[in-house]
Amino acid sequence: DVKVTQSSRYLVKRTGEKVFLECVQDMDHENMFWYRQDPGLGLRLIYFSYDVKMKEKGDIPEGYSVSREKKERFSLILESASTNQTSMYLCASSFTGGLNYEQYFGPGTRLTVT
Amino acid sequence: AQSVSQHNHHVILSEAASLELGCNYSYGGTVNLFWYVQYPGQHLQLLLKYFSGDPLVKGIKGFEAEFIKSKFSFNLRKPSVQWSDTAEYFCAVTPPNYGGSQGNLIFGKGTKLSVKP
Repeated sequence: DVKVTQSSRYLVKRTGEKVFLECVQDMDHENMFWYRQDPGLGLRLIYFSYDVKMKEKGDIPEGYSVSREKKERFSLILESASTNQTSMYLCASSFTGGLNYEQYFGPGTRLTVT
Repeated sequence: AQSVSQHNHHVILSEAASLELGCNYSYGGTVNLFWYVQYPGQHLQLLLKYFSGDPLVKGIKGFEAEFIKSKFSFNLRKPSVQWSDTAEYFCAVTPPNYGGSQGNLIFGKGTKLSVKP
């Protein structure tokens, strides 16, 4: 059974702080994704990675960066948190190949920036 | 702009009522289609998916969806809903020549389903 874990379920940070959100998957998936989920807006892709040390911008990368030093771990970094980054952050992973694009999601991190 | 549209923001039904949630996409060519569900306080999980073959796809918990290529639609259905189906439902598409080998998904904005006991 695929498992995607995220380091925190709830996080409260102050404006201007540097924030790290960690995601780990245990299925040896090549692809990993970071989304933010906001009411009425659905899921929006921030960044994704299809291999170690590789990263690609998604639809809303501004204000975020990512790091993938190991295959199983994908980190989202808020260099200087702002109140408009208060949101639910979801990590996902998927397997490359076979046209099976199913993504497996973690439980999410609800981040509040005050 | 190319997108995925879910027409209903919030649907309220009584138990045993039939459900149909609409999903339309605007990409031409071959697409892969998904419905995900998020129960209150839980993570997003796959309900069903379509890649090819029979356009009527059956998923978990009695859900099904029909792919109608001519209408660019992939509507989700359930004949008789239960209180436990209360959740948010997301349609997602891997459009052609966009996903590549990474299989990026484009999500709709979601439909909240509330089932009254």
